[in-house]
Amino acid sequence: DAGVTQSPTHLIKTRGQHVTLRCSPISGHKSVSWYQQVLGQGPQFIFQYYEKEERGRGNFPDRFSARQFPNYSSELNVNALLLGDSALYLCASSLDTGGEYFGPGTRLTVT
Amino acid sequence: EDQVTQSPEALRLQEGESSSLNCSYTVSGLRGLFWYRQDPGKGPEFLFTLYSAGEEKEKERLKATLTKKESFLHITAPKPEDSATYLCAVRSNFGNEKLTFGTGTRLTIIP
Repeated sequence: DAGVTQSPTHLIKTRGQHVTLRCSPISGHKSVSWYQQVLGQGPQFIFQYYEKEERGRGNFPDRFSARQFPNYSSELNVNALLLGDSALYLCASSLDTGGEYFGPGTRLTVT
Repeated sequence: EDQVTQSPEALRLQEGESSSLNCSYTVSGLRGLFWYRQDPGKGPEFLFTLYSAGEEKEKERLKATLTKKESFLHITAPKPEDSATYLCAVRSNFGNEKLTFGTGTRLTIIP
């Protein structure tokens, strides 16, 4: 079975630009979460969506937003990019609130 | 606020030399403790979920245990392919659905 997929794999953006990251969950999983991981740190929770509704939000500014589609795929949007937004962005899916299964991540570099 | 502390930060072992990684946690009602393995530049790989003190789970050379304050990941007779960063995370009964991660233990197994 296919795992969680994310696109793109790598992305380079300039400060002030906008970025959209995409995630497809494991088939049958209705919950999708987004995390940010900077080098040397554990992942930091950004959002969780379940059945297209936001079920949790971490301590990130309003520049970060997300949504989930009827097929349970999800997008993470970040506006007005800052240098500090450079990180590995991870998407994870789960059946409900059990273990989350992570995708390979999108490496975002902001210059 | 939920907190997870992992020790040691880094650990170098000879092939076959067993050891344990520690995860200490503070959470308002534990709903689950999760162990992940992460290889450089990749997303975390789910290993175990533990729900209550006294619970143990095993997978190949890995065994995870849980008390009311900490969890241990025991590695028996490790091989070089066990080299990775091991992450611990908790989910609380209260608040949103986030996983709170520690900063990980970077394990290196020397042939």
